[in-house]
Amino acid sequence: AQSVTQLGSHVSVSEGALVLLRCNYSSSVPPYLFWYVQYPNQGLQLLLKYTTGATLVKGINGFEAEFKKSETSFHLTKPSAHMSDAAEYFCAVSEVEGGFKTIFGAGTRLFVKA
Amino acid sequence: GAGVSQSPSNKVTEKGKDVELRCDPISGHTALYWYRQSLGQGLEFLIYFQGNSAPDKSGLPSDRFSAERTGGSVSTLTIQRTQQEDSAVYLCASSLVTAEQYFGPGTRLTVT
Repeated sequence: AQSVTQLGSHVSVSEGALVLLRCNYSSSVPPYLFWYVQYPNQGLQLLLKYTTGATLVKGINGFEAEFKKSETSFHLTKPSAHMSDAAEYFCAVSEVEGGFKTIFGAGTRLFVKA
Repeated sequence: GAGVSQSPSNKVTEKGKDVELRCDPISGHTALYWYRQSLGQGLEFLIYFQGNSAPDKSGLPSDRFSAERTGGSVSTLTIQRTQQEDSAVYLCASSLVTAEQYFGPGTRLTVT
């Protein structure tokens, strides 16, 4: 069965600094990988996803993530943080053996300092 | 088009009462999920419906929790004999099988 580990429940960066949110997954077959974002008092929305093909995927608001099979990782990055990026970020994995059931990580709350 | 809707948006109930939470998925989405999000916690998977397959109930925390999906569309999550620890936001999401999930706004359940 698949699983997801997000390293760091809280990450704090300065405005303009690099954002790096870590996600490692466990899956017995090639997975589908997702990052979702939840802004304060709002619902979850998709940031980006990897299914097949190019391993570097770009999402909304300047975020991107790279699927690294050898490291079983799908870390989320953004070159320059904005105050508006402060939110909770969830990594998720699904696989065909689970009927594409999606499992979410515990989430990482990103704080952006002025 | 219409997104995922949930009702009620807020529910306050007394300990020991039963509650029903409703989810209307996006039309045509065959997959439907229920999650629970407690204060400061991540998304706890509860149950997964996919087409006509038997639902994956592996995340339901106790036999007080049940869910059904009628006609492959609307879903109802029922919590019997509610306890204070059931207080949380209950989220529903739907998707095409291999695609991303679309989340509803959630139902905030408070058990007093």
